[in-house]
Amino acid sequence: SQTIHQWPATLVQPVGSPLSLECTVEGTSNPNLYWYRQAAGRGLQLLFYSVGIGQISSEVPQNLSASRPQDRQFILSSKKLLLSDSGFYLCAWSHIFGGYGYTFGSGTRLTVV
Amino acid sequence: SQKIEQNSEALNIQEGKTATLTCNYTNYSPAYLQWYRQDPGRGPVFLLLIRENEKEKRKERLKVTFDTTLKQSLFHITASQPADSATYLCPPSTGYSTLTFGKGTMLLVSP
Repeated sequence: SQTIHQWPATLVQPVGSPLSLECTVEGTSNPNLYWYRQAAGRGLQLLFYSVGIGQISSEVPQNLSASRPQDRQFILSSKKLLLSDSGFYLCAWSHIFGGYGYTFGSGTRLTVV
Repeated sequence: SQKIEQNSEALNIQEGKTATLTCNYTNYSPAYLQWYRQDPGRGPVFLLLIRENEKEKRKERLKVTFDTTLKQSLFHITASQPADSATYLCPPSTGYSTLTFGKGTMLLVSP
């Protein structure tokens, strides 16, 4: 069966520090991969998605970047965190667009102080 | 612009009753519609997917309907239990794009 791993679960980082969140999927190949962010009391905002190795689509211009160095690995990064980067970050995967549900990771609660 | 509207931000019902949640779409013609459950501090969990050519889908105590004319989906939980309390999300999909999630409807089932 397929599983998705996301870490760390919580993170407290100072403003201006770098960020690296990692997500890996097991049990499937060539998945679509997604990074979402959820601010408190808000809906999920799609940040990046990838349909293949090295292919990254950005939905919201911001202080963050994403990379997919391997088929089942998706990394969210920042060189310098801002206070506004605080939130709940969720990685997800799906087979293809539309016809299949997304499976989400357990999320990372990021607090920038 | 495309818009997703869920009937209310919160719905309170008594245990044992049927909960009905509504999703309406504006300027959107989804080919699929998905329903998710999200608990506080957790990622959403996929529940059901219904296609535009399907009127109804069932899974245990869950039933989803999809009316493409009204641009509306109804999500029913029969014999609701306190454990059903969560936020429910209904992202639509055209079939060739990513999912857009709204804030969802928070369901509270009281004993």
